[in-house]
Amino acid sequence: GIQVEQSPPDLILQEGANSTLRCNFSDSVNNLQWFHQNPWGQLINLFYIPSGTKQNGRLSATTVATERYSLLYISSSQTTDSGVYFCAVRGGSYIPTFGRGTSLIVHP
Amino acid sequence: ETGVTQSPTHLIKTRGQQVTLRCSSQSGHNTVSWYQQALGQGPQFIFQYYREEENGRGNFPPRFSGLQFPNYSSELNVNALELDDSALYLCASSSDRDQPQHFGDGTRLSIL
Repeated sequence: GIQVEQSPPDLILQEGANSTLRCNFSDSVNNLQWFHQNPWGQLINLFYIPSGTKQNGRLSATTVATERYSLLYISSSQTTDSGVYFCAVRGGSYIPTFGRGTSLIVHP
Repeated sequence: ETGVTQSPTHLIKTRGQQVTLRCSSQSGHNTVSWYQQALGQGPQFIFQYYREEENGRGNFPPRFSGLQFPNYSSELNVNALELDDSALYLCASSSDRDQPQHFGDGTRLSIL
């Protein structure tokens, strides 16, 4: 199956800082999503982005499918951004695979 | 609000028992996936149903089984519960197999 690697595994920021999270995948995909898991365990869909660039407020994401990676940008981070960020992909077999996540802590 | 609902929200069982978890998909969604998430780990794919047929399975033993009904709601059944089955169980639905997944809030299962 497709391997998904996320980096960094942990990130600690001061409020107001910017950050970039990376997701590398080992094969072509037809579906890529970024999720934020909050402290209550809810998985919030941030972006559906199999290719191209999207922006939603302070968050943006870019997927370069030909080079098999995706980036999630968080600007002007807030304490409410804390949590775990997951990248999940589906390839030709339609089997979903999650990365191990990036744990983000934003201090006030 | 994703439109995906899971029940129950919490459940406590003992080793050896059997459990059924339920998921009501978002209207019009024909694909449902189930995941197990242990504390501090990412979601692990259990299996996926597409139009009532199992369409892929992760590395889980046969005592994990499922069903998808004609209205596309779904069940996850786990037999002979073990302590390691304690986890958050997540259900996600999508309008097709290559479309974005929408997650429910999960069922927290504790095995004593």
